[in-house]
Amino acid sequence: GNSVTQMEGPVTLSEEAFLTINCTYTATGYPSLFWYVQYPGEGLQLLLKATKADDKGSNKGFEATYRKETTSFHLEKGSVQVSDSAVYFCALPISSGSARQLTFGSGTQLTVLP
Amino acid sequence: KAGVTQTPRYLIKTRGQQVTLSCSPISGHRSVSWYQQTPGQGLQFLFEYFSETQRNKGNFPGRFSGRQFSNSRSEMNVSTLELGDSALYLCASSLSPGVDGELFFGEGSRLTVL
Repeated sequence: GNSVTQMEGPVTLSEEAFLTINCTYTATGYPSLFWYVQYPGEGLQLLLKATKADDKGSNKGFEATYRKETTSFHLEKGSVQVSDSAVYFCALPISSGSARQLTFGSGTQLTVLP
Repeated sequence: KAGVTQTPRYLIKTRGQQVTLSCSPISGHRSVSWYQQTPGQGLQFLFEYFSETQRNKGNFPGRFSGRQFSNSRSEMNVSTLELGDSALYLCASSLSPGVDGELFFGEGSRLTVL
């Protein structure tokens, strides 16, 4: 089945630093890819998605490009803020018959220091 | 538009007891999924419901069960609690199953088993 491998954390950066969180996947076909974010004490929120190869998802200054050649969907942000401190999860659907579910990476804890 | 509501937010149980968690999806959403989040195993899919029918189930023992009502609200039950069941249980809703992975999560119910 489909699976995702995510860069191990935690990651600590200073404010305005450049962020990259690596995510690689194994999949049959070209499923949509997702980044979810979990702020402290909250549930997960969809951060961005890409629905086909070479698509770039973007939101709140974050970007990720669906690269089928390298089976990657790395998350990037040019200048992080303290408010970006959260856990980030890469995810993709696993098709299972007529139902779908998401499989998530292990999560990367990001801490941004002022 | 109200988000996904989960109750209770926190609860403490002892081994051998059972617990019922509730989830009210976003209005109009008919698909509800449940995930277990633990530090060791990360996010793991429990089950998905649509139109009161379980569409898919993850790799969990039969002690974990769920149901969905005609108004799309869902409950999950864990019987004969074990210490390892301590986790954050997240409910997610979407318009329908097969919508490509865009889930809307609640804040979760944090279960502690003593």
